Amino acid sequence: AQSVSQHNHHVILSEAASLELGCNYSYGGTVNLFWYVQYPGQHLQLLLKYFSGDPLVKGIKGFEAEFIKSKFSFNLRKPSVQWSDTAEYFCAVGGNQFYFGTGTSLTVIP
Amino acid sequence: DAGITQSPRHKVTETGTPVTLRCHQTENHRYMYWYRQDPGHGLRLIHYSYGVKDTDKGEVSDGYSVSRSKTEDFLLTLESATSSQTSVYFCAISGNGEAFFGQGTRLTVV
Repeated sequence: AQSVSQHNHHVILSEAASLELGCNYSYGGTVNLFWYVQYPGQHLQLLLKYFSGDPLVKGIKGFEAEFIKSKFSFNLRKPSVQWSDTAEYFCAVGGNQFYFGTGTSLTVIP
Repeated sequence: DAGITQSPRHKVTETGTPVTLRCHQTENHRYMYWYRQDPGHGLRLIHYSYGVKDTDKGEVSDGYSVSRSKTEDFLLTLESATSSQTSVYFCAISGNGEAFFGQGTRLTVV
């Protein structure tokens, strides 16, 4: 069965700290991988995506993620977080259906 | 933002009543989805559609039905609302392999 696991449920960081959010997946077909962000009170927006090619993908707002096939992982990183990055982050795997992790709530303290 | 409109945005209803949520898209995408979002569970797929009159169940389909009579509209019906269906419901569409989300409908069943 397809599944997505996010290891961190709630992360608290100070501004300028580095961020890494873990994501592991189980999927039987060709993998399309995504990270979405949900700011308070808003809908999900795409941060970045991986379909094929370079396993290091860059997204909006300085985020990047690395696809490691041997580890079934797609971890999200940002070198220096800002207060405005406070949000919930969802990892997802998709084909015709999309499967989401349970989300990681990130709080950035000014 | 992708052209997705959900209606209503907020609704309070009584236990046992039927409720219909509407998702309207202007992107002419083939795939449409209904998710519910609950704390600790992330987004869970209720039903999805891969074309007019073509629908299939997701992981939490009990108590829900859907219909898609036109490409642009995907309706979600709670046949007899229960308190466990209090949630935020998101519609999504899929084009070019990625999902785009509507603004959400907050449903409260009292």
